[in-house]
Amino acid sequence: GAGVSQTPSNKVTEKGKYVELRCDPISGHTALYWYRQSLGQGPEFLIYFQGTGAADDSGLPNDRFFAVRPEGSVSTLKIQRTERGDSAVYLCASSGTGTGGPGELFFGEGSRLTVL
Amino acid sequence: DQQVKQNSPSLSVQEGRISILNCDYTNSMFDYFLWYKKYPAEGPTFLISISSIKDKNEDGRFTVFLNKSAKHLSLHIVPSQPGDSAVYFCAGIDSGTYKYIFGTGTRLKVLA
Repeated sequence: GAGVSQTPSNKVTEKGKYVELRCDPISGHTALYWYRQSLGQGPEFLIYFQGTGAADDSGLPNDRFFAVRPEGSVSTLKIQRTERGDSAVYLCASSGTGTGGPGELFFGEGSRLTVL
Repeated sequence: DQQVKQNSPSLSVQEGRISILNCDYTNSMFDYFLWYKKYPAEGPTFLISISSIKDKNEDGRFTVFLNKSAKHLSLHIVPSQPGDSAVYFCAGIDSGTYKYIFGTGTRLKVLA
């Protein structure tokens, strides 16, 4: 499809398990963002990639969270030793802006993570 | 520290009337602002933006106003329609960092 694709749409796991969430951005978009949205809250910034490199990972809450984008397209958010507090909707967004200032972020539908 | 605040968690408006959603920010480095709309079980979708060099941007029924001295922006929807019922988020961006910071959202309900 033409939009940002996220898989899985729903993931239920047990406390302590490892989880991977995948994001396939819009083709050609160089910027890719991960956000986390908890119930009743706005999207919380986690990490931003420009190409293959993490330009800003200041939002990752701790070292259990890690994200990669090895070829500058698909990105994977990895969460180790999941905790119940990690339960949230994880949103991915991409943007084609490289010049001319910030542009619109295109969001996927999110991956809902539930840690039991 | 919450850099973008939407102090009204919810708002109800009669169909045909004006909806005004407010947003305050603290980061003086923000030079670009966007509004997003979100329906349940969907990702946020872009609505309208404004650069800090402007004080108003209009797109159809949607107008965003920016008051830099007050660090305040507002989204006006007129006339409001039932299909506008959604959660609205404002976001501020520092173009030096490209980090988009979102507010907590305002749930708008337009009553038919």
